[in-house]
Amino acid sequence: RKEVEQDPGPFNVPEGATVAFNCTYSNSASQSFFWYRQDCRKEPKLLMSVYSSGNEDGRFTAQLNRASQYISLLIRDSKLSDSATYLCVVKGRNTGFQKLVFGTGTRLLVSP
Amino acid sequence: EAGVAQSPRYKIIEKRQSVAFWCNPISGHATLYWYQQILGQGPKLLIQFQNNGVVDDSQLPKDRFSAERLKGVDSTLKIQPAKLEDSAVYLCASSLGGSSGQVSYNEQFFGPGTRLTVL
Repeated sequence: RKEVEQDPGPFNVPEGATVAFNCTYSNSASQSFFWYRQDCRKEPKLLMSVYSSGNEDGRFTAQLNRASQYISLLIRDSKLSDSATYLCVVKGRNTGFQKLVFGTGTRLLVSP
Repeated sequence: EAGVAQSPRYKIIEKRQSVAFWCNPISGHATLYWYQQILGQGPKLLIQFQNNGVVDDSQLPKDRFSAERLKGVDSTLKIQPAKLEDSAVYLCASSLGGSSGQVSYNEQFFGPGTRLTVL
């Protein structure tokens, strides 16, 4: 079983739609959780951290369910510029140091 | 502030040849990471340095891959000899910290990557 699993998509949505991505992780000792965004042929960039209480940044809402070991990202009022791959990232420990484990990513295509 | 620099941006080689990639992290960042990203997959950590010491190289294919960060600043990743399955984007990232015991997250900043094609 992969440490971090995501539906690769693609998710095709019209502008203005609301779309949600889920991600599951296998290591119950995982400490921190993030969503990264990766544009085509570009490097990943941090979109937002995911907190146990849930957190929101503009049109983006992230939630964490530790009991079920899943993370979600909700995008409201989708824009064309939201088209990208969204990587679910989990931070664990490797001999005391921080280690990020990336999912395969979920591709989002927003159309006019 | 300058970001993470990588070179070359693209490289095409034949299998069994050697190749080296260079990374210069953000100034002051103690931790440096090399990732391999195969098409359609997420980045996979190959090696992590804390200053000039290796923290984690458990997923580095040591029979053909090597990396160094001799002065604790820039780093090189080498593949010798290359195989077809090494075709991927090699991403370098850096962060301020990441030392043992730190709980707070240190954001990793990625460079633009080197796209390697092995023919």
